[in-house]
Amino acid sequence: GAVVSQHPSWVICKSGTSVKIECRSLDFQATTMFWYRQFPKQSLMLMATSNEGSKATYEQGVEKDKFLINHASLTLSTLTVTSAHPEDSSFYICSASSAYQPQHFGDGTRLSIL
Amino acid sequence: AQKITQTQPGMFVQEKEAVTLDCTYDTSDPSYGLFWYKQPSSGEMIFLIYQGSYDQQNATEGRYSLNFQKARKSANLVISASQLGDSAMYFCAMREGARGTSYGKLTFGQGTILTVHP
Repeated sequence: GAVVSQHPSWVICKSGTSVKIECRSLDFQATTMFWYRQFPKQSLMLMATSNEGSKATYEQGVEKDKFLINHASLTLSTLTVTSAHPEDSSFYICSASSAYQPQHFGDGTRLSIL
Repeated sequence: AQKITQTQPGMFVQEKEAVTLDCTYDTSDPSYGLFWYKQPSSGEMIFLIYQGSYDQQNATEGRYSLNFQKARKSANLVISASQLGDSAMYFCAMREGARGTSYGKLTFGQGTILTVHP
């Protein structure tokens, strides 16, 4: 089946650091990628929808300047958490989709801000 | 209003038995898709099964089947012959608009934690 690679899988860093998470579709061209945030034992909350070559569409309540999304190619989208603080600690997971694929998810990134 | 509702926070089942995970949805769009995903403790989201609103038959994928009752707006997941490896969190999700499995953002339910006992 289709594979989506997300990197890194685990990040621990100091408060104030910016962290970049990559999401790659390995065997199909993803015209649309989605970024989700998940707290322990809770549902996935959509943060933003990213279309290749255009600006991301953010969900209500998500800070655009805090969570920078870039979708520069059909196989790569990045999420940068700028000036991360402890409250940004969470599980971040991306998914990729195209005309012929349901959403396939990456393995997620556990972000811990000290 | 909640668009996807999973009313069972946790379910327990004996190995080799069948289990049904409930999911109800709310939409006024005639075209929508319903998905089930499995999330083990390691965190990855595994796509299990898909049902389109126009599909005449209930979807099946191996041990997974979707009991789609359109008038009741329910899309319950049935897992037959449960295995220990089925222990995980299960999410029901809906995509409104467009046909097929592609595109569109997903709205997820709250999830159900399934525990399979030996």
